[in-house]
Amino acid sequence: GEDVEQSLFLSVREGDSSVINCTYTDSSSTYLYWYKQEPGAGLQLLTYIFSNMDMKQDQRLTVLLNKKDKHLSLRIADTQTGDSAIYFCAEIPGTYKYIFGTGTRLKVLA
Amino acid sequence: GAVVSQHPSRVICKSGTSVKIECRSLDFQATTMFWYRQFPKQSLMLMATSNEGSKATYEQGVEKDKFLINHASLTLSTLTVTSAHPEDSSFYICSAVLGSREQYFGPGTRLTVT
Repeated sequence: GEDVEQSLFLSVREGDSSVINCTYTDSSSTYLYWYKQEPGAGLQLLTYIFSNMDMKQDQRLTVLLNKKDKHLSLRIADTQTGDSAIYFCAEIPGTYKYIFGTGTRLKVLA
Repeated sequence: GAVVSQHPSRVICKSGTSVKIECRSLDFQATTMFWYRQFPKQSLMLMATSNEGSKATYEQGVEKDKFLINHASLTLSTLTVTSAHPEDSSFYICSAVLGSREQYFGPGTRLTVT
């Protein structure tokens, strides 16, 4: 099937690290993306990783890719209250069409 | 760069009327745009692919006569919800493709049908 799975909820304390996991479906996906959605808003591209990479770091964000297990993760270091949002992973198995994950709602406790 | 706008951001309409939502790429041209629908606490569901100068491609289960898509220029796609009913109430998000791959998303339009 084409279900990209994520855990529904994650709660962390401010200053801790957050790790959001994603299991995707198509090993031919060349790029994998992470998006952030704040309440009532569209999607903001956070970062992406190319399929021949294992890890990519961009300031507080670290993406890890395990292509063998089709597992993608997003680590947010020093999580802040402004990071509270829904996070979606997405894969592109074909042309432009994205397959979005189910979304993980991150709640950061002060 | 790569800014996508949607208009209106919120709309309330009566059952049976039609509503048009605009999606514009402000600083780039987009041959391809996408329309998504998002139900509360759920992921985005792709409704259709909008191609400039040609007919839209609809996903399975999406009624093309209900959701009319027009992509008349390289910076504008419109989605018209015809004869809207309360079950059409949702959050509609568009995206525009920059280059060959990356999608940039609009801020969304919340439609409420009373």
